[in-house]
Amino acid sequence: DGGITQSPKYLFRKEGQNVTLSCEQNLNHDAMYWYRQDPGQGLRLIYYSQIVNDFQKGDIAEGYSVSREKKESFPLTVTSAQKNPTAFYLCASTGLNRNTEAFFGQGTRLTVV
Amino acid sequence: AQSVSQHNHHVILSEAASLELGCNYSYGGTVNLFWYVQYPGQHLQLLLKYFSGDPLVKGIKGFEAEFIKSKFSFNLRKPSVQWSDTAEYFCAVNGVSGGYQKVTFGIGTKLQVIP
Repeated sequence: DGGITQSPKYLFRKEGQNVTLSCEQNLNHDAMYWYRQDPGQGLRLIYYSQIVNDFQKGDIAEGYSVSREKKESFPLTVTSAQKNPTAFYLCASTGLNRNTEAFFGQGTRLTVV
Repeated sequence: AQSVSQHNHHVILSEAASLELGCNYSYGGTVNLFWYVQYPGQHLQLLLKYFSGDPLVKGIKGFEAEFIKSKFSFNLRKPSVQWSDTAEYFCAVNGVSGGYQKVTFGIGTKLQVIP
């Protein structure tokens, strides 16, 4: 089945540590996105990428980094510079035709203690 | 810059009541608009979309939305809600920013349907 896989589903880290969230898709989509979902704040865009080795900052990129070495993969690193990292993180992908819908992963809930 | 505003953050309705959720967008180009739904514990999934043609679009589970260009709106409607419609609803616009495709979501509306 085609889809987006995010792993792990739950992640715990100590404050001050960097952590990388995985996102893999087998939909052959060119565009991939990372969102952060907080109660009452909807989905806020962190980073997005349209092609391999190229990505753009979203609305809340500070304290995060990404890479896009393969079309299928778009990992997100939450660095120690992110002031409030505990959140639910969603990865999505779409085709480059803007008519197409976004497909989402199951999300990763990160808790920093 | 593209943006999406959803005005109703939390809506409580009784079963069989009619639903209308507001969505206004800001985007200068050709719009591609979407409504997504997130049922408790499940992935976000597409409810319906508009990109051209008939401004009244129909989606799954009896939902529909009307694109009104003059009002920059894309409100979601359902004539009679069911308990199973309890979920969070997100409006989104897919636009182009600096030559890159960008999907922007609204804040979401939590719908609670009381049996």
